[in-house]
Amino acid sequence: ETGVTQTPRHLVMGMTNKKSLKCEQHLGHNAMYWYKQSAKKPLELMFVYSLEERVENNSVPSRFSPECPNSSHLFLHLHTLQPEDSALYLCASSQDTASGGNEQFFGPGTRLTVL
Amino acid sequence: DQQVKQNSPSLSVQEGRISILNCDYTNSMFDYFLWYKKYPAEGPTFLISISSIKDKNEDGRFTVFLNKSAKHLSLHIVPSQPGDSAVYFCAASGKTGANNLFFGTGTRLTVIP
Repeated sequence: ETGVTQTPRHLVMGMTNKKSLKCEQHLGHNAMYWYKQSAKKPLELMFVYSLEERVENNSVPSRFSPECPNSSHLFLHLHTLQPEDSALYLCASSQDTASGGNEQFFGPGTRLTVL
Repeated sequence: DQQVKQNSPSLSVQEGRISILNCDYTNSMFDYFLWYKKYPAEGPTFLISISSIKDKNEDGRFTVFLNKSAKHLSLHIVPSQPGDSAVYFCAASGKTGANNLFFGTGTRLTVIP
């Protein structure tokens, strides 16, 4: 595997389910990100991790719970979601979190549908 | 309120001609700008970037222009090729924040053979 991978690619869940999204980066990067892209809206940053520590949490509801066990893996645990949480969830990584010239590399995303 | 705006949701261009994609931003603290390209069922792929100390950056067929006074940037693709058909996202970041990227909503480019 190369680059940034995400599993599953598609997920359908009920509002009472608990599920997890997984992201893995094979680039040796130290920073990882979760983004949400809803229909007709720009990508919205949800969480940023640097060296397994959360450095940014953009007012995301607690029904989304990130976990970064090491610098290569990032999870997003989901529980009691709402239909409006249906979206494309993208994971990204970068060398570090310094801004400017620090391109982020994205995974293919998980298309989540909440029924 | 959106800090990065792409007001054209779509653009169609004949193969061989120039494609010009536009982006406007509102936050004067942004100092680094990027363009990403996205094919269906794939994540965005970095294309080209520009620092606020420059007004132009060129990479092969792709050139990004930055007009700081107008808070406007554009991506020029010339000559356009059918393989360039994709959604193009403009993004910006500032000196503060953990490499936070603010994205536009994207412009779908279709290059007609």
